[in-house]
Amino acid sequence: DAGVIQSPRHEVTEMGQEVTLRCKPISGHNSLFWYRQTMMRGLELLIYFNNNVPIDDSGMPEDRFSAKMPNASFSTLKIQPSEPRDSAVYFCASSLFAGVGEKLFFGSGTQLSVL
Amino acid sequence: DQQVKQNSPSLSVQEGRISILNCDYTNSMFDYFLWYKKYPAEGPTFLISISSIKDKNEDGRFTVFLNKSAKHLSLHIVPSQPGDSAVYFCAASAPGNQFYFGTGTSLTVIP
Repeated sequence: DAGVIQSPRHEVTEMGQEVTLRCKPISGHNSLFWYRQTMMRGLELLIYFNNNVPIDDSGMPEDRFSAKMPNASFSTLKIQPSEPRDSAVYFCASSLFAGVGEKLFFGSGTQLSVL
Repeated sequence: DQQVKQNSPSLSVQEGRISILNCDYTNSMFDYFLWYKKYPAEGPTFLISISSIKDKNEDGRFTVFLNKSAKHLSLHIVPSQPGDSAVYFCAASAPGNQFYFGTGTSLTVIP
């Protein structure tokens, strides 16, 4: 079985450009999470979806960040306009459901560099 | 406002010895804890978990200990192997809530 698939693996862009990160969760999983990894804060939850519906987006840094999940097999995280401080590794994860005891399965991440 | 803290950014251990990775948390509502392991250029993968009704959970060479009164958990790896070299993340959650992750500890096992 394929795991969580993220694209692109690496993204280099210039400040002010729009960036779109993509994620395909594991088939049958009902919850999808977007995390950002930085040295200072570790893995921060940005937003998560249950059954394609955003449940908690309190971790989204600011209005420049938006996420969608149009169907059960696809999600995007968009940054517009991007800034150098957005440079980080962005992970998508999925689980059967968002509840106690449910393990998260992570994708390989997108390394974003904003110059 | 980091609710889960891993105060040691790195740890080096000799092969065959015990590795002890520590994690502290602040939220007394947390009742489920996990450790994830991450290799470079890969996503984190689940390693071991423990619920708050237990104080120890063991899986092969890996044991997680939970001290609720101290709000502290630790991961023991015995014996440590070079393939264990990775970044280890501690995570915690409260009922019906999201997981909060620590900043990670980079473990190097020296052959």
